[in-house]
Amino acid sequence: AQKITQTQPGMFVQEKEAVTLDCTYDTSDQSYGLFWYKQPSSGEMIFLIYQGSYDEQNATEGRYSLNFQKARKSANLVISASQLGDSAMYFCAMRGDATSYGKLTFGQGTILTVHP
Amino acid sequence: DVKVTQSSRYLVKRTGEKVFLECVQDMDHENMFWYRQDPGLGLRLIYFSYDVKMKEKGDIPEGYSVSREKKERFSLILESASTNQTSMYLCASTPQGVPYEQYFGPGTRLTVT
Repeated sequence: AQKITQTQPGMFVQEKEAVTLDCTYDTSDQSYGLFWYKQPSSGEMIFLIYQGSYDEQNATEGRYSLNFQKARKSANLVISASQLGDSAMYFCAMRGDATSYGKLTFGQGTILTVHP
Repeated sequence: DVKVTQSSRYLVKRTGEKVFLECVQDMDHENMFWYRQDPGLGLRLIYFSYDVKMKEKGDIPEGYSVSREKKERFSLILESASTNQTSMYLCASTPQGVPYEQYFGPGTRLTVT
């Protein structure tokens, strides 16, 4: 069984500051993938970033980076230079190995509010 | 661009009604998924399908069934809707063998009264 835990129900950050959203995971699979999605108030799920369990470098996509610490089973999302449009719900998710058909296990989510 | 569409953005049904939620994807993806989203619980997998007519239960299948008669279409069925099935329902698809993101539809907010 896989489990994703996001311990921060809500986070606040000042515009232009960096923020870290926490995510820890548990799995017995040797091969897995970790994802972050953003969900604005409109409801759509927007893919942000992906990290494979065998990737040696931390993933980065523009202002988003994933701080992957395999031994600690953590996959924190770092957003640099926050913008007002970053205010949204953020979900961490995990995909298991090739036998899992790509299904995802999600965390509870973190609501990020960016203050001007 | 991959597109996943869902038949309704908002739906209001009465207790005991049979409810159909439709999902269509236009990218020939093998795998399709139905999740429900509730506050504080994140998204939970109801059912998924990896091929036409093939389906598997997810984590919370009770009270739901699914149908996949064509590759592009995956339907979620609430046989007898109950108030505890009031939720946001999200459909997603992903190609087989590609370890990247799932593509989500816009969601259906279902209210059962």
